[in-house]
Amino acid sequence: GESVGLHLPTLSVQEGDNSIINCAYSNSASDYFIWYKQESGKGPQFIIDIRSNMDKRQGQRVTVLLNKTVKHLSLQIAATQPGDSAVYFCAEMIQGAQKLVFGQGTRLTINP
Amino acid sequence: DTEVTQTPKHLVMGMTNKKSLKCEQHMGHRAMYWYKQKAKKPPELMFVYSYEKLSINESVPSRFSPECPNSSLLNLHLHALQPEDSALYLCASSHEAVSGANVLTFGAGSRLTVL
Repeated sequence: GESVGLHLPTLSVQEGDNSIINCAYSNSASDYFIWYKQESGKGPQFIIDIRSNMDKRQGQRVTVLLNKTVKHLSLQIAATQPGDSAVYFCAEMIQGAQKLVFGQGTRLTINP
Repeated sequence: DTEVTQTPKHLVMGMTNKKSLKCEQHMGHRAMYWYKQKAKKPPELMFVYSYEKLSINESVPSRFSPECPNSSLLNLHLHALQPEDSALYLCASSHEAVSGANVLTFGAGSRLTVL
């Protein structure tokens, strides 16, 4: 079964607002995490990553938070734009394996 | 070149056909992957190639046969597929096929329909 999952399958936010997408993982051996964005008809696109020795990493308008105590990952998108509408997947790399395992995904819709 | 190119974009085949999906990257990556993605589901790993050798087969049925002719190319040969095999097939590549900071770059996928 899936070792990575998301709390909410869909999320709608107003344009300009901030959005937070959550992800729970169950494998404590995972040492690397990636957020991907997938638009309709396209492959997953890298957004941001974080190693297990960090608890926060920031990019352009995006921040990833990692809480290893509760095995929780989140993606914060600031000042959302229509182009942010997509499905967002968290993925984990299990230490010692060559596998990147994806969570179930959250569909983010930006309302004008 | 920072892309993974997949062909064809769309493929319709019958259950008795033999077809192939192709994937190409020129980023010097030494690991390549095939994932299968059903509608509204996450990508699921099928195969991993590391330095042109098959390193992971996620118990994929033998009607799917991967091939890595060289470090830039990855094929997926299809034979005697079932309608439930209809899906988006994603190819990806990364610098190395080891754990750690190993970002996978994905292609746009080949959408397969089996009639």
